[in-house]
Amino acid sequence: QQQVKQSPQSLIVQKGGISIINCAYENTAFDYFPWYQQFPGKGPALLIAIRPDVSEKKEGRFTISFNKSAKQFSLHIMDSQPGDSATYFCAASEYQGGKLIFGQGTELSVKP
Amino acid sequence: GAVVSQHPSWVICKSGTSVKIECRSLDFQATTMFWYRQFPKQSLMLMATSNEGSKATYEQGVEKDKFLINHASLTLSTLTVTSAHPEDSSFYICSASRGRVYEQYFGPGTRLTVT
Repeated sequence: QQQVKQSPQSLIVQKGGISIINCAYENTAFDYFPWYQQFPGKGPALLIAIRPDVSEKKEGRFTISFNKSAKQFSLHIMDSQPGDSATYFCAASEYQGGKLIFGQGTELSVKP
Repeated sequence: GAVVSQHPSWVICKSGTSVKIECRSLDFQATTMFWYRQFPKQSLMLMATSNEGSKATYEQGVEKDKFLINHASLTLSTLTVTSAHPEDSSFYICSASRGRVYEQYFGPGTRLTVT
């Protein structure tokens, strides 16, 4: 019940295309859903996050869509660029200052 | 703002020795720090949560006597891997949280290789 399931495991997108990564959770007590971007050999960096009181949040080319009833959320990367090639992790947290439960990760490759 | 540093960035040690990794929040006070372990091509695995001045809370299956965590101040937490063995070789990452907020800010990670 604490799991966050992420798909796909890997994704190849052409430059300029849309990258979509999906996550699903079971624990209805989760109320914070961040996405992290990680480059090889580096720590994860917070990309964008959403709370359940909104269904969508957009920051530049990155958009989170949130479906509370389905217990799913997704990351959309518009106009994907080769520099976006990285591993993306979704996560969920139950309370402020609490631990994050991470998805399995998606390795994104954007081809020029 | 919200910068977290780790030192060293990589370390090689011999089997049986101990290694200390430092995690510092540079521009904020971190009431809670987290330590993760990550194997190649895998997700982050939470090892323990530490609050300043308190004993760390370890996740199930993590040996507290092997992975010693100290959160001595609001800007510094340390992870000591005691009597390291080759299977302890991994990428160790810390994160810090500013008290009752959701965001966690991650350090750059430390690559540990035990020979």
